[in-house]
Amino acid sequence: DQQVKQNSPSLSVQEGRISILNCDYTNSMFDYFLWYKKYPAEGPTFLISISSIKDKNEDGRFTVFLNKSAKHLSLHIVPSQPGDSAVYFCAASVVYGGSQGNLIFGKGTKLSVKP
Amino acid sequence: DTEVTQTPKHLVMGMTNKKSLKCEQHMGHRAMYWYKQKAKKPPELMFVYSYEKLSINESVPSRFSPECPNSSLLNLHLHALQPEDSALYLCASSPSPTDYGYTFGSGTRLTVV
Repeated sequence: DQQVKQNSPSLSVQEGRISILNCDYTNSMFDYFLWYKKYPAEGPTFLISISSIKDKNEDGRFTVFLNKSAKHLSLHIVPSQPGDSAVYFCAASVVYGGSQGNLIFGKGTKLSVKP
Repeated sequence: DTEVTQTPKHLVMGMTNKKSLKCEQHMGHRAMYWYKQKAKKPPELMFVYSYEKLSINESVPSRFSPECPNSSLLNLHLHALQPEDSALYLCASSPSPTDYGYTFGSGTRLTVV
């Protein structure tokens, strides 16, 4: 049973436009969410996180939105740049509520930003 | 130094071989992790070391044996592996076990023949 789902394996966006990557989760105990970016032949790189007490967190061109009632989060990249082309992993965990859990990753979405 | 260094980058081994993967960080992180990633799959947690002690073993077969000799070093000893164990093995570290802003290494691409 996949607790963190990224239903779009790939996404193609024009340079300068907005990229929206989506992630759904099933475990209502998750209270901390992260996005990682992975280039080929490199390990994942931490990008941005959000705790369940917030519904939005912004860092430069990257904004993560959390909709707890829908168990859905999204990563917005504005404006998209060719260097953003990578695989993006959504991850979730239980940090604040109950016993701490492991970090559970989604399968990833491959973003291609075309010049 | 803000990196996690994994060696070797590539490894091909036979099913009867014994080999080791090495992971090193000098950021003072006190939690270190081994993940396994198969193609088009998410990284899956194998082991967690917290303050040099094994705190989580995700039911990994005994042919994988982790070791944390000190706070900067994490090894994964491999013995009698199967072809299905071929994967990318990722090491990560974080300042503490409750900090999920991991720093990942580039991984070791393991092929078992």
